[in-house]
Amino acid sequence: DIQMTQSPSSLSASVGDRVTITCQASQDISNYLNWYQQKPGKAPKLLIYDASNLETGVPSRFSGSGSGTDFTFTISSLQPEDIATYYCQQYDNLPRYTFGQGTKLEIK
Amino acid sequence: QVQLQESGPGLVKPSETLSLTCTVSGGSISSYYWSWIRQPPGKGLEWIGYIYYSGSTNYNPSLKSRVTISVDTSKNQFSLKLSSVTAADTAVYYCARVRRGIAVAGWYYYCMDVWGKGTTVTVSS
Repeated sequence: DIQMTQSPSSLSASVGDRVTITCQASQDISNYLNWYQQKPGKAPKLLIYDASNLETGVPSRFSGSGSGTDFTFTISSLQPEDIATYYCQQYDNLPRYTFGQGTKLEIK
Repeated sequence: QVQLQESGPGLVKPSETLSLTCTVSGGSISSYYWSWIRQPPGKGLEWIGYIYYSGSTNYNPSLKSRVTISVDTSKNQFSLKLSSVTAADTAVYYCARVRRGIAVAGWYYYCMDVWGKGTTVTVSS
């Protein structure tokens, strides 16, 4: 099974800061990676698919990059409404899915 | 736009079978994959399995022996059954639509683009 290591597990940043979250796969997963945002008490929301593609309607301050085993999710300028937990999700060719452990983002 | 709604008992006794249904509205269940995901209290997300509208399925290996996902295209619904539940199965259960597309490089990508609001299931006697 492919293991995903997401870091950090929590993060505190100020409004306007650039925020970066990483996910590392235990083996090459090509671009098979998505990023989700989950606000408290709500369902997850798709932000980035296929490692770097911005979902329709998602603000452009969100971006994703990477391929193979190392992936990065970036918020270019943190806004108060971005407070949430962020998850990476990898999948294989079947597809079967595995989520990262999550990163809880707070305002400093 | 497409909306998903989970329904089913909020309380299940240990050793019994958890049964949930996801109703798809605003669109057809055809031509998509449909998935179940759960989240124990205070913890992360766990994929349970998916079903294609034609009926083919794939399950999380850690739950495979206890999970059955089925589809009823006439009702625009798909369902989850999880047998022999324990307290560890207490969670919020989400259903989601899986979108399959073709990336610029030519391969298929998959992502969960529409989610239900989730339903809380507690396993307790």
